[in-house]
Amino acid sequence: DGGITQSPKYLFRKEGQNVTLSCEQNLNHDAMYWYRQDPGQGLRLIYYSQIVNDFQKGDIAEGYSVSREKKESFPLTVTSAQKNPTAFYLCASSMLAGVVQYFGPGTRLTVT
Amino acid sequence: QQQVKQSPQSLIVQKGGISIINCAYENTAFDYFPWYQQFPGKGPALLIAIRPDVSEKKEGRFTISFNKSAKQFSLHIMDSQPGDSATYFCAASPPNFGNEKLTFGTGTRLTIIP
Repeated sequence: DGGITQSPKYLFRKEGQNVTLSCEQNLNHDAMYWYRQDPGQGLRLIYYSQIVNDFQKGDIAEGYSVSREKKESFPLTVTSAQKNPTAFYLCASSMLAGVVQYFGPGTRLTVT
Repeated sequence: QQQVKQSPQSLIVQKGGISIINCAYENTAFDYFPWYQQFPGKGPALLIAIRPDVSEKKEGRFTISFNKSAKQFSLHIMDSQPGDSATYFCAASPPNFGNEKLTFGTGTRLTIIP
């Protein structure tokens, strides 16, 4: 069953702690993306990666870090430097030359 | 910054009516315009998309109308059903997408009432 898996669905952390969100895809897509979704602001790109061991900052990369050690995996770390980390985080993937992005089910992160 | 402006922010339509969501863009280099549908607690899913070489694309009850000169495109949902209640996002992408990214609108929360 092909698709994108994000875990966990809900995540709670204390302020000051780093937290890593998982994203796995078995679609054999080259490109992967992380978005943040806040009410009334649509989807904002955090980081994207077009190939293993390479990634680029999106519009709101500050306070976040990523790695791309495997084609199928693109974990996102929300660091303590992110000033307002509570949000719904979406991972997506696409064929390198394609424009259709396929989204995972999302992780809702709450930091208190 | 490249922008895609979407309106309205929320929309209530009676069952059987037509839902219309509008988007406007600034970058004339955009050449791919998808619409995504998102249900609560889920990730967005591609609904329908259009390229600027056509003025309209229809898939079932969903139609995209595209006005290249006005730099506007819209989603029409005919015979709207309660199951269409969701948040809709328009987006735009320039060519050579491998080096660029989708720019999303801010979303429209659509509610279909009986």
